[in-house]
Amino acid sequence: DTEVTQTPKHLVMGMTNKKSLKCEQHMGHRAMYWYKQKAKKPPELMFVYSYEKLSINESVPSRFSPECPNSSLLNLHLHALQPEDSALYLCASSLLGGTSTDTQYFGPGTRLTVL
Amino acid sequence: EDQVTQSPEALRLQEGESSSLNCSYTVSGLRGLFWYRQDPGKGPEFLFTLYSAGEEKEKERLKATLTKKESFLHITAPKPEDSATYLCAVRPESGNTPLVFGKGTRLSVIA
Repeated sequence: DTEVTQTPKHLVMGMTNKKSLKCEQHMGHRAMYWYKQKAKKPPELMFVYSYEKLSINESVPSRFSPECPNSSLLNLHLHALQPEDSALYLCASSLLGGTSTDTQYFGPGTRLTVL
Repeated sequence: EDQVTQSPEALRLQEGESSSLNCSYTVSGLRGLFWYRQDPGKGPEFLFTLYSAGEEKEKERLKATLTKKESFLHITAPKPEDSATYLCAVRPESGNTPLVFGKGTRLSVIA
């Protein structure tokens, strides 16, 4: 089983709202990722957690705050977003992360609209 | 700088018309090349991983090959359900970035 689940599927929020995206995997993977994808563009890496520690932050604005409560869960907390943050947010996981060449498996994504 | 270029950007095929998608890369050293399929509004679905030149992998109507500078995704006798965006990504030998993605090829298969 190579399933990564994400909730919610769709989210509409105002610029003053606070919301969270959730991601879960039960494959025993130790690396988890957040990506942002705009229409007709490839996924753009935001954060990487390796063994529950933040290992990569690709200079993402502080209005995006990641959290990894345990090895199976990954959250992305959203606050004071801008309309240009509207996108498909993808979660992925891989067995080891770091410098390994293991495959990343993606979830179905959360379609976020910021009004 | 590590780069991945996919061509063509878009491809329209008749059902049964075989073709190939190209992924060329310039990286400091290749640790792995990945092919994904992505349907509109969905997450990328893993297809293949290739690690060394000469390697080939097959799955149903798809076959991926790898040389030292590029990879091809061959689609044999495509069906309308093969319509999707196909993404190529590489894992460079150095640097922190886990994957460098190409911009994808949008494939449309017409019945």
